[in-house]
Amino acid sequence: NAGVTQTPKFRVLKTGQSMTLLCAQDMNHEYMYWYRQDPGMGLRLIHYSVGEGTTAKGEVPDGYNVSRLKKQNFLLGLESAAPSQTSVYFCASGTGASISETQYFGPGTRLLVL
Amino acid sequence: AQKITQTQPGMFVQEKEAVTLDCTYDTSDQSYGLFWYKQPSSGEMIFLIYQGSYDEQNATEGRYSLNFQKARKSANLVISASQLGDSAMYFCAMRGVSGGSNYKLTFGKGTLLTVNP
Repeated sequence: NAGVTQTPKFRVLKTGQSMTLLCAQDMNHEYMYWYRQDPGMGLRLIHYSVGEGTTAKGEVPDGYNVSRLKKQNFLLGLESAAPSQTSVYFCASGTGASISETQYFGPGTRLLVL
Repeated sequence: AQKITQTQPGMFVQEKEAVTLDCTYDTSDQSYGLFWYKQPSSGEMIFLIYQGSYDEQNATEGRYSLNFQKARKSANLVISASQLGDSAMYFCAMRGVSGGSNYKLTFGKGTLLTVNP
């Protein structure tokens, strides 16, 4: 049982390049989330999904796109990377609409945009 | 809208002493949940403790306890008998139910705790 995994662990991009971050979970969770973490800012929600085939915008969605073609996978895409997107990206998953439920986090992806 | 405020960017504590990390929140929801996460230098997010808005007792999990004062909208984390391994960033987060926010966690900016030997 791997939990939540993220690929890649680290990536360097040049401004304008594109890339996709992959998140996979093996807990059969309906809900999946993408956050970014910047120094002094905590975690901020980029996009989330409440089930296969659904996506919704979070707090800071600009410059990102997501897809949830399979229940276990949630992809985060950067079409044209900018230095402001240098950050640590966390994926998380959860079972659903219970207030008390914690989210299960992946190990994070460090992205540097030059 | 929900907001979490952690006013202590950094805290220091001596090993074996207790420490309190502050968290205040703002929400118009009547029902909500409060969470604390630990992020060590290795980067992973570790769930520590949960408190529901209707819970009458303060939550406890081993050396962690949550000092929940609903009227003051505060949910402070207390770590007893600090250990060197407690050195980490600590995040307070909440989840409410209004406006579809029941799916999402709102995080504070975090407090960096350093435990000195």
